[in-house]
Amino acid sequence: SQQGEEDPQALSIQEGENATMNCSYKTSINNLQWYRQNSGRGLVHLILIRSNEREKHSGRLRVTLDTSKKSSSLLITASRAADTASYFCATGSGAYNTDKLIFGTGTRLQVFP
Amino acid sequence: NAGVTQTPKFQVLKTGQSMTLQCAQDMNHEYMSWYRQDPGMGLRLIHYSVGAGITDQGEVPNGYNVSRSTTEDFPLRLLSAAPSQTSVYFCASSLDGNEKLFFGSGTQLSVL
Repeated sequence: SQQGEEDPQALSIQEGENATMNCSYKTSINNLQWYRQNSGRGLVHLILIRSNEREKHSGRLRVTLDTSKKSSSLLITASRAADTASYFCATGSGAYNTDKLIFGTGTRLQVFP
Repeated sequence: NAGVTQTPKFQVLKTGQSMTLQCAQDMNHEYMSWYRQDPGMGLRLIHYSVGAGITDQGEVPNGYNVSRSTTEDFPLRLLSAAPSQTSVYFCASSLDGNEKLFFGSGTQLSVL
């Protein structure tokens, strides 16, 4: 079964607005990562947050992690049409950060110009 | 650097046929893995390897076989293709299992 579940499944916004996606997971983790997938392409890594971190920033991206609630959120500020893609959270619980990295079902983001 | 290279990009098989999906990386990454992506299911881990000669099962290993004889290559073998294996397959690698994953562009497989 999937470890992570993203919410919402789909999100449509206008350029310039902020987009927030949430991820809930079931078991203890070492780290949580977010990836982006453009239609028909491979996934691209966005950001990694470790279990002892609560918030991390990268450019227009802000990720939070609440291990007590087993949840994470990805905020994209001032969205652009080029941000249109599917976004996946992935949790690592093995001896390393990426072994047995388990992905959620994804959020499809549509940003209208 | 080419990164992670998957071949073929598209493949159609008949039920019962066998084939090998190729994956190669030129980044000297120790960790490599295979995922399948189905609509509405996200990505599911099939097999992974933390170094040459070492492989382990992921979430959905049945019907698939892997080996890791070199650091660069991690082929995925379908032993007897079934329609349920129709999917998009992604290979991914990372430096040592502690870093982000780099993905290939995928193989779209249809089993009739």
